Amino acid sequence: GAVVSQHPSRVICKSGTSVKIECRSLDFQATTMFWYRQFPKKSLMLMATSNEGSKATYEQGVEKDKFLINHASLTLSTLTVTSAHPEDSSFYICSAPVFSEQFFGPGTRLTVL
Amino acid sequence: QQPVQSPQAVILREGEDAVINCSSSKALYSVHWYRQKHGEAPVFLMILLKGGEQMRHEKISASFNEKKQQSSLYLTASQLSYSGTYFCGTENTGNQFYFGTGTSLTVIP
Repeated sequence: GAVVSQHPSRVICKSGTSVKIECRSLDFQATTMFWYRQFPKKSLMLMATSNEGSKATYEQGVEKDKFLINHASLTLSTLTVTSAHPEDSSFYICSAPVFSEQFFGPGTRLTVL
Repeated sequence: QQPVQSPQAVILREGEDAVINCSSSKALYSVHWYRQKHGEAPVFLMILLKGGEQMRHEKISASFNEKKQQSSLYLTASQLSYSGTYFCGTENTGNQFYFGTGTSLTVIP
C-alpha cells in the first residue's frame, strides 16, 4: 500500500516558538492531503485540507494564521504551528487519499512548554 | 459533520462478541473503519461503499445501511489484539474525511 511519512515524530518547544511538521507521500503523488489533530482520549478532528498549488481549506474554528499549511509539491505538505502555546500540544496526523482509501502518516506529538 | 459512534466504551472477555455502531446526519458515500492503538496512527480495517457488499477483515465484519446512514462493525470471538479505539470515518463529495467520535474497546483475558 501507499506510504506516508511525517517528520518529526516528536517535538518539544517553548511557548511562542513556531514548529514545522512535514508530511510526505513516499511512493505516490498526492494533490490533496489532510491534517488532523487529536487530543488525549478524543477523536481525530479534521483541521484542514491541503491542496497542491493552491490555498488550504480550513475547517470551521481552525485559525488559518496560526496553522499555516503549504503544499508546495505533489509529495510534500507542511503544517507550521506559529507562536505555539501549551494548548496547541496535541497529536497531529496527516493523511493522503488514494482512490477511496486514506493513508495516514505515523503522527507527530507536539508538546509546548 | 462528525459521525456519532456507540457505545463510547466496551469491555469484553476474550472470545466474546461486540458491535460498534456509527451514525451520520449526512448522506454517506462510503464508510471506513479504523483501529487506533495508544500513541499510534489509525490503521485501516475496511471500507464499505454505497451499494457494496458487507466487508470482512479476519473475524471483524461490517455492514452499511445507506438509507439509515449507519454502519455497524461486528467483532466476533474477540482477541486481546482487538483492544484499541475504533473509529468510523465518512467521506463527503469533496473527498474530505471525518472521523467518528470513537469507541474504546478493551479485551481482557
